[in-house]
Amino acid sequence: QQQVKQSPQSLIVQKGGISIINCAYENTAFDYFPWYQQFPGKGPALLIAIRPDVSEKKEGRFTISFNKSAKQFSLHIMDSQPGDSATYFCAALDDKIIFGKGTRLHILP
Amino acid sequence: GAGVSQSPSNKVTEKGKDVELRCDPISGHTALYWYRQSLGQGLEFLIYFQGNSAPDKSGLPSDRFSAERTGGSVSTLTIQRTQQEDSAVYLCASSRDKSSYEQYFGPGTRLTVT
Repeated sequence: QQQVKQSPQSLIVQKGGISIINCAYENTAFDYFPWYQQFPGKGPALLIAIRPDVSEKKEGRFTISFNKSAKQFSLHIMDSQPGDSATYFCAALDDKIIFGKGTRLHILP
Repeated sequence: GAGVSQSPSNKVTEKGKDVELRCDPISGHTALYWYRQSLGQGLEFLIYFQGNSAPDKSGLPSDRFSAERTGGSVSTLTIQRTQQEDSAVYLCASSRDKSSYEQYFGPGTRLTVT
């Protein structure tokens, strides 16, 4: 079965630090890798996405690093802020989207 | 324009009752998804509609769960004979089409079965 494995399950980072969330996949047919951000009481919202022909994509403080040979990708949040505290889901798209199980991120003020 | 809307936002029901959850997708989006999110858990895929094609029901956990999409727009998720383990947040999402990676989620319906 197609899977996207996400880690860690939860993460606590000091304000100003770097938050790193990792994902690994098995299906080499996946051709799009989005990250979603979910605040309590809200539905997930697209944060940033990358295609496998690119090794890195940066949008503001958020960066996706992609390692095609290792079948791994990660989200880096630079200068983490309390407002970044949320649950983050990685995902992979083939003919349908497969989500990781999520990472609950808490940024200490 | 309006995003994905879901109703009701909260639903409390007694065990054994049937419930209907509604989703209004973004106008023009041909793909519609239902997910279930239990407390602190990830997104569990339930069912997927794409245009007029037969829905992908592979994620429905039991035959008590069903969904329909009328006129290619509004969708209703029905849970019959609800059980306490059905308590969760039910999320609906729509996307432009099947191949679009950007899904737009509604705020969800929090279902509590007592």
